[in-house]
Amino acid sequence: SYELTQPPSVSVSPGQTARITCSGDALPKQYAYWYQQKPGQAPVLVIYKDSERPSGIPERFSGSSSGTTVTLTISGVQAEDEADYYCQSADSSGTYGGVVFGGGTKLTVL
Amino acid sequence: QVQLVQSGAEVKKPGASVKVSCKASGYTFTSYYMHWVRQAPGQGLEWMGIINPSGGSTSYAQKFQGRVTMTRDTSTSTVYMELSSLRSEDTAVYYCARESFGMDVWGQGTTVTVSS
Repeated sequence: SYELTQPPSVSVSPGQTARITCSGDALPKQYAYWYQQKPGQAPVLVIYKDSERPSGIPERFSGSSSGTTVTLTISGVQAEDEADYYCQSADSSGTYGGVVFGGGTKLTVL
Repeated sequence: QVQLVQSGAEVKKPGASVKVSCKASGYTFTSYYMHWVRQAPGQGLEWMGIINPSGGSTSYAQKFQGRVTMTRDTSTSTVYMELSSLRSEDTAVYYCARESFGMDVWGQGTTVTVSS
């Protein structure tokens, strides 16, 4: 079955830039989405279609894509950004039957 | 405002079934597909399937084929997810999420505990 691979954890100091990667063979052909989840809360969409930011999401969140890897970048990290982050995409079939999440990355703000 | 409100927590015995509801408001119910996603304690997000509220068509993750059924009631703008033959590994928080260029609105989650 199709998999998306994320690093388990990333740590940064406040004000620095955090980069979280997500790798998958179908990413050149399928859009990626990123979700932020804080403890005890439902996930929140922070990036859609690789690099688009929903309304209400701070500008410090951005997304990019290169080959089989997509990256979520958080510039000027703040303490409130500490959370789990999940990428989501689909397998190469392009149908909804192939929706998949990455394993998640815990962002720690030192 | 756009909102998804899910039914309350459930405790079930192994082998039983559970049916979770998700009531939508603040938008045209039949215009957006709805996903179901679950999260076991301390684990990541797991996609279960999707339903088209307009025609009722569904697509399920292979892992849940034969055990999950997603339905909708357009008169009440509610989607349902029923999972049968429950086992302890099904203990999780179950979420519904609207599909609109990603899962843009999520329900608050429903905790399902499977225990003898």
